[in-house]
Amino acid sequence: EDKVVQSPLSLVVHEGDTVTLNCSYEVTNFRSLLWYKQEKKAPTFLFMLTSSGIEKKSGRLSSILDKKELFSILNITATQTGDSAVYLCAVEESLSSYKLIFGSGTRLLVRP
Amino acid sequence: SQTIHQWPATLVQPVGSPLSLECTVEGTSNPNLYWYRQAAGRGLQLLFYSVGIGQISSEVPQNLSASRPQDRQFILSSKKLLLSDSGFYLCAWNPTSGYEQYFGPGTRLTVT
Repeated sequence: EDKVVQSPLSLVVHEGDTVTLNCSYEVTNFRSLLWYKQEKKAPTFLFMLTSSGIEKKSGRLSSILDKKELFSILNITATQTGDSAVYLCAVEESLSSYKLIFGSGTRLLVRP
Repeated sequence: SQTIHQWPATLVQPVGSPLSLECTVEGTSNPNLYWYRQAAGRGLQLLFYSVGIGQISSEVPQNLSASRPQDRQFILSSKKLLLSDSGFYLCAWNPTSGYEQYFGPGTRLTVT
């Protein structure tokens, strides 16, 4: 059965810390991996990764994919209280073409 | 630009009552549309997706159904709600497979 596993489940850090969130997957027909940030309501899109070893960056956030070891990491440097959210990892499979398989998320709390 | 709307934002319904949640997308045509449910502290579970008017695919057996009466309208329904139907329902769209999905603001449903 296809699955996406995120770790840790929750994390508490102080402003200015750097955090690394992990996402491993077992998906038979992998197409892409996506990261979303969910605050109170709708998840907002962060990154889509399709190729190994190519880092995607947006400000203090960056992410990379390893298709050999079947995982991705999301790094946040110099964390701010506004980074507090649930970070969701999802894998799109190519067989059904439309299906995103989500992990259960990592809840990040950044304390001032 | 494209926007996605969902209503209502919150809903409290008794067991056995019917349900109708609506999702509409503006600023695009022929989007792929998705319904997800998120239980407390969990990731998103895909319920239904649609690639065109009248075309609905179901991912999990349940007492919910979906319809797409117009190109940019997606409706989630139930004839008789169960307690287990409580959760956060999210509608999403993308222009085609292989592109990130964008989420609506969600409906929080409590079945009592």
